[in-house]
This record gives sequence, structure tokens and C-alpha cells, in this order.
Amino acid sequence: GQSLEQPSEVTAVEGAIVQINCTYQTSGFYGLSWYQQHDGGAPTFLSYNGLDGLEETGRFSSFLSRSDSYGYLLLQELQMKDSASYFCAVSKTGRRALTFGSGTRLQVQP
Amino acid sequence: NAGVTQTPKFQVLKTGQSMTLQCAQDMNHNSMYWYRQDPGMGLRLIYYSASEGTTDKGEVPNGYNVSRLNKREFSLRLESAAPSQTSVYFCASRANRDTNTEAFFGQGTRLTVV
Repeated sequence: GQSLEQPSEVTAVEGAIVQINCTYQTSGFYGLSWYQQHDGGAPTFLSYNGLDGLEETGRFSSFLSRSDSYGYLLLQELQMKDSASYFCAVSKTGRRALTFGSGTRLQVQP
Repeated sequence: NAGVTQTPKFQVLKTGQSMTLQCAQDMNHNSMYWYRQDPGMGLRLIYYSASEGTTDKGEVPNGYNVSRLNKREFSLRLESAAPSQTSVYFCASRANRDTNTEAFFGQGTRLTVV
């Protein structure tokens, strides 16, 4: 099976930078993606890393290192609205199942 | 463009009752998914369908059945509901292209089994 590990909670202050890590135990997968979910809402797609390296989308960046079985989501210039849960997810090569980590709850404080 | 539509949004069942959660997408996606979300457990895959006419078990399939009625619709059935199935259920869909990994989610169904 696939196992994705994330920290359960992270706290940061407005305007700061925070990194949410994701380590995984799987092989042969298409890439690592990240989703955001506000309380009471549905998950929404943030970013995808199909190749090793950094992908940047505005204030959010995501990184993947297949050799280290590791990725992270970097959020810059934190805003109060960034308070949410963040999930990493993988899709294994040859299968269409999309498996999620248990999520990291980010609390942004004033 | 409605995206992914789930019904109902809320449901209360008695133990042993059955029900079907409906999901439809209008994005012409091949793959569809059902997840359940419990506090602290993240999203756990129940069943998925990679294309019309195929379904596969996910991580937690016991107590559930699914039907991929056509390309648009993917339903989840609880034959005999149990309190352990109290959860928030999400349907999702995505295209099958290898480089396209974005999944689109419905707004969820909050199910309570008493």
C-alpha cells in the first residue's frame, strides 16, 4: 500500500513562511499533489509535482524529491485565510486511485 | 459549469437502514472516487472507478457498494448502515491523463447513523 506522513498541526503568524512536509512510502507513482481544505468545505487542488524540484504558484510553492521520498508545501506571506488543513496525495503508476495523507492543520495567528 | 454535485448534503439514518449517495460530474472525467473523512483521519478512499464500467476497492470498502451508472454518475450505497459509518463523504472526479492529477470534489454529504 501507500503511506504518507504529515505533521498533524502547524502554527505560524501572519506574514511568515511555513513549510508543511510530506514523506511517503511508495514507489512508482506519477507525482505528489497538494490540496487545501477549509473547515466545513471540500478539498481544493493547490499544486502538483510530476518531476523533482520546485513548482511555484503565487504565494504557494511545492517541492518533490523522489530519491528522498519527500516533498513539501511552502506557504509565503501567510494570511489569516490560509488557516486550513493541507493534504498531500499520490497516485500510483498504473492505477487511478488517489491516496491522501492524514492532513496538516495550519493555524495562522495575528 | 456545476463541476461535481453530491446529494444529499445531510442525512440521518437509523442503524440497519440503507441509502444511496449520489454523485454526478459534468467535466467528462473518466475517473471518479468516493472518500470518507473522519476527524484526524484525513481522506480515506472507499471505492473508485477508473472508467465507465469498472470499479475497484480502495482502503476502506467494507460495508459499501458502488455503481458507475454511466460516465457522469457514480453512486455509493450503504446496505445496512452502522454507527461506524457516521462520517463526511466526498465524491471526486478527475481526468485520466497521466500529467493531469487535479481532482475536483463535491461539497460533501454529512451522514449520521444513530
